[in-house]
Formats: sequence, structure tokens, C-alpha cells
Amino acid sequence: LAKTTQPISMDSYEGQEVNITCSHNNIATNDYITWYQQFPSQGPRFIIQGYKTKVTNEVASLFIPADRKSSTLSLPRVSLSDTAVYYCLAGNAGNNRKLIWGLGTSLAVNP
Amino acid sequence: GAGVSQSPSNKVTEKGKDVELRCDPISGHTALYWYRQSLGQGLEFLIYFQGNSAPDKSGLPSDRFSAERTGGSVSTLTIQRTQQEDSAVYLCASSLLTPMNTEAFFGQGTRLTVV
Repeated sequence: LAKTTQPISMDSYEGQEVNITCSHNNIATNDYITWYQQFPSQGPRFIIQGYKTKVTNEVASLFIPADRKSSTLSLPRVSLSDTAVYYCLAGNAGNNRKLIWGLGTSLAVNP
Repeated sequence: GAGVSQSPSNKVTEKGKDVELRCDPISGHTALYWYRQSLGQGLEFLIYFQGNSAPDKSGLPSDRFSAERTGGSVSTLTIQRTQQEDSAVYLCASSLLTPMNTEAFFGQGTRLTVV
């Protein structure tokens, strides 16, 4: 199971683009990179998933270089409501039940 | 329902008592997971169900913890003789079992406080 490493905390301001980078040096060939968002007193919420190159949805973009040893979650024009903890996970449908959840990145968006 | 439902949302119990936590997954989701999250920490895997069977119970902290799932739907997590260190938020999630899918849908959790 691939362990992921990401910054403990980040600060930003409304309207800015936020990039959170995650390293997963031991990622396996069949692992996907998945990002979740968690607000206080709520369960995590799926944001985006990718395998390689770039994935974009209505919420975020995910950039994965060719070696797949890292990935970057990009949140365009953040607002106060994006203040949350963001978790990066590396795994696959066969083992995602045991995904290792670290402390995540606590993002604070300031006015 | 539209999402994963957990009950109760909050539970305060006395040390030594048994508690039962319930999870209603999204209809049609074969996989069901239980996690535990202590304050300020990441999620700790407890148990995974595929249908009604639990191929992976490796995360259960002790034999005081057990879980079952019936009809491929509702699951209950039971903690016997609760201890103060059992205090945490217990999260349930469900997902489809497809090769490329790693998206799990989480409930709001049950906040357990053992006093």
C-alpha cells in the first residue's frame, strides 16, 4: 500500500488558486490517486481521481507527472467554503478499503 | 436513501456498556467500510464488507469490536464493554466494486463518547 505525504497545513485567500502537492513514491502500477475533502463534523467527500496526466472536473484539477510519484490537486479561485482538510490517497479498487489516511492538508482560506 | 445514513449521530455511553452503531449504505453498493477517526487524526480502517461477507477484519482494534452486514445492505458495528479510548467518530462508507473505482461515499458519522 502506497503511503502518501502532503503538507500539514496551507493558507490562502479568496479568489486565489491553491495547489496541494502529494508525494507517493511507492505507488503501484494499478493504483489510482484519489483526493477527498472533509469539513468539520462531516465524513470525507470524494473530489477527484486520476491515474496519469491531467484530470479536470467541475471542482478541481489533478495533475500527475509521468513517473506518478507525486500529484497536485489544483483548486481554482478558492472561496471561504473551501476551508477544509484535503486527503490524498493512493490505491485501487482491490485495496482501497485499506487506504492509508494520513493527517491530510488543512487548508485555511482567508477573506 | 440518497446517501449513506448512520445512526445515531451522537452516542454517550458509560464505560463498560455495549453500543451498537448502524449504517445504511447507498442502495446497490456492494462494498461497505467502517473507519474510526479520532480528533484531529486521519481515518483508521476497521473492517470491510463485500456483500455480507467480511474478507478483511484486520483493522478491528480488539475482540470487543464486531460487525455484521445483512441482506447486502445494513451494517451494524458493535463495541462491547466500551472503554474511554473507544471515544471517536465512527464513519461508514459504501462504494461500487468496479476495477477503476476508488470513490467511496461516506456517512456523517457517529460520534461516540465513553464516559
